[in-house]
Amino acid sequence: KAGVTQTPRYLIKTRGQQVTLSCSPISGHRSVSWYQQTPGQGLQFLFEYFSETQRNKGNFPGRFSGRQFSNSRSEMNVSTLELGDSALYLCASSFQPGQGATGNTIYFGEGSWLTVV
Amino acid sequence: KQEVTQIPAALSVPEGENLVLNCSFTDSAIYNLQWFRQDPGKGLTSLLLIQSSQREQTSGRLNASLDKSSGRSTLYIAASQPGDSATYLCAVISGTYKYIFGTGTRLKVLA
Repeated sequence: KAGVTQTPRYLIKTRGQQVTLSCSPISGHRSVSWYQQTPGQGLQFLFEYFSETQRNKGNFPGRFSGRQFSNSRSEMNVSTLELGDSALYLCASSFQPGQGATGNTIYFGEGSWLTVV
Repeated sequence: KQEVTQIPAALSVPEGENLVLNCSFTDSAIYNLQWFRQDPGKGLTSLLLIQSSQREQTSGRLNASLDKSSGRSTLYIAASQPGDSATYLCAVISGTYKYIFGTGTRLKVLA
């Protein structure tokens, strides 16, 4: 059974550009969550999608957006990149919505490393 | 606002030692608490989830305890091995089912 797949694994962008990251969840999982990890702020929740609907979101500016497709694959987009957006972006999938809910095991991908120069 | 702190930030121990990692949270109104490990450059792997009504959970050499009233959780690792070297993160889950992650403890077990 394939795990959570994130593409691309590494990318370098210039300040002001936009970037799209992709996440393919485990087969059968319909919930996808996104997180940003930086040395300064640690791991922070971005948003969660279930059945193509955003169910939950963290405290990030509108430059950060996401969507989920009918096959449960998800993309996140960051527009007008800033140096501070350099981070590891992690995607996670689970069968049901609700992070940390009892019995709802969550699986993380290996992440996409974004460097903004 | 919920804040989650982990102490120590880094820990280096010889192989075979028993060790305790600490996690503190400021708001005791949590739903669950979960411990994860993260290997360098990788995603997270769930280790243990403790429901708010539980006091502890065990899996192999790992034991996690939860004291909601004092806002603390500990992860006990018995007979540590070099393969345990990783960053350990705790995350509290509120009623809105969002993870709030701790600052992490970077563990190195020396052979």
